[in-house]
Amino acid sequence: RKEVEQDPGPFNVPEGATVAFNCTYSNSASQSFFWYRQDCRKEPKLLMSVYSSGNEDGRFTAQLNRASQYISLLIRDSKLSDSATYLCVVMEAAGNKLTFGGGTRVLVKP
Amino acid sequence: DVKVTQSSRYLVKRTGEKVFLECVQDMDHENMFWYRQDPGLGLRLIYFSYDVKMKEKGDIPEGYSVSREKKERFSLILESASTNQTSMYLCASSSVGQVYGYTFGSGTRLTVV
Repeated sequence: RKEVEQDPGPFNVPEGATVAFNCTYSNSASQSFFWYRQDCRKEPKLLMSVYSSGNEDGRFTAQLNRASQYISLLIRDSKLSDSATYLCVVMEAAGNKLTFGGGTRVLVKP
Repeated sequence: DVKVTQSSRYLVKRTGEKVFLECVQDMDHENMFWYRQDPGLGLRLIYFSYDVKMKEKGDIPEGYSVSREKKERFSLILESASTNQTSMYLCASSSVGQVYGYTFGSGTRLTVV
């Protein structure tokens, strides 16, 4: 079983719609959680951290469910520019090493 | 603007060649990492370093070695390149205690023929 699992998609989303997807992680001792965004042929870039209480950054909302060991990302009012691969990232309790999921591809269409 | 710079964007090497991938960061970060990214497999950690002259194996170190002689530079070495090492290689850095926000380089797409 992979440490961090994501639905690879693609999620085809009409412009203006809402899309949400999850990521599950296997290590219950994982300490920190993040969503990264990766555009085609580009490097990953931090989108947002995920806090236990849930957090929002503009049109993006991230949630963490420690009991069920998953995190989620919701994008409201999708824009064409939101088309990208979204990487779920988990940091273990020890050290600064990040483990990446395989990514969920989102395609926003007019 | 802070940066992680990888020496080559595209590289083509022959099987059996020794290959050096260079990564330089200008943020005075202690931590540096090498990942490879393959379709369907995501990013996998090859090696990382928390300090000069220090290195730790990641999840897939076989066939690779690293060198960190200076804080700003972290080199990945393919001792004898093989076709299964054709991949996108990404270097990243972070500071101690920074629990998020790896900064990645733009990647090196290596093809071994």
